[in-house]
Amino acid sequence: DAGVIQSPRHEVTEMGQEVTLRCKPISGHDYLFWYRQTMMRGLELLIYFNNNVPIDDSGMPEDRFSAKMPNASFSTLKIQPSEPRDSAVYFCASSRRGGYTFGSGTRLTVV
Amino acid sequence: GESVGLHLPTLSVQEGDNSIINCAYSNSASDYFIWYKQESGKGPQFIIDIRSNMDKRQGQRVTVLLNKTVKHLSLQIAATQPGDSAVYFCAENKEGNKLVFGAGTILRVKS
Repeated sequence: DAGVIQSPRHEVTEMGQEVTLRCKPISGHDYLFWYRQTMMRGLELLIYFNNNVPIDDSGMPEDRFSAKMPNASFSTLKIQPSEPRDSAVYFCASSRRGGYTFGSGTRLTVV
Repeated sequence: GESVGLHLPTLSVQEGDNSIINCAYSNSASDYFIWYKQESGKGPQFIIDIRSNMDKRQGQRVTVLLNKTVKHLSLQIAATQPGDSAVYFCAENKEGNKLVFGAGTILRVKS
């Protein structure tokens, strides 16, 4: 089992550009979560899916953020347009009956 | 300039001593709790979990205690090793399958 796979590991982009973060959950897991980690706010839950359907997106900070899960093996988190305050580490996690497993994260820097 | 961010509590222990990391949770309806370890540059790693129908659970060198009366959770690490140095997070399962994290505690192990 390769675990939760996120790409890219690092992303540096200019303010105003679109950024897309990708996640492949563990096969058979029916929940997928997107978290953001910053020094200011710690680990924040942005959105989570169950069986590819968004269940709770109350943590998504603004309309500039959107997330999709077109199938059970792939999810994206998109920021358009990106701003410097979006700089953070973004984690994807998946679970089945508890047992949440995290990916290694994408470190996003918006300059 | 001065850095601003979460001021995480720090626990410093001597190698070989036992460590106790504490966490207060907010929702009396939460029924599932997890401790995670996060090393620099990595995603949170599952350590041990406990359901609300239990007050103690033991793993290898780790024990989690749950006190529902005062909404308190603790993680005990026996014979702490340098490799245990990391940030430790408690997380509670709120409102279905929504996992919410605490601020974290830094554990430093002195050799």
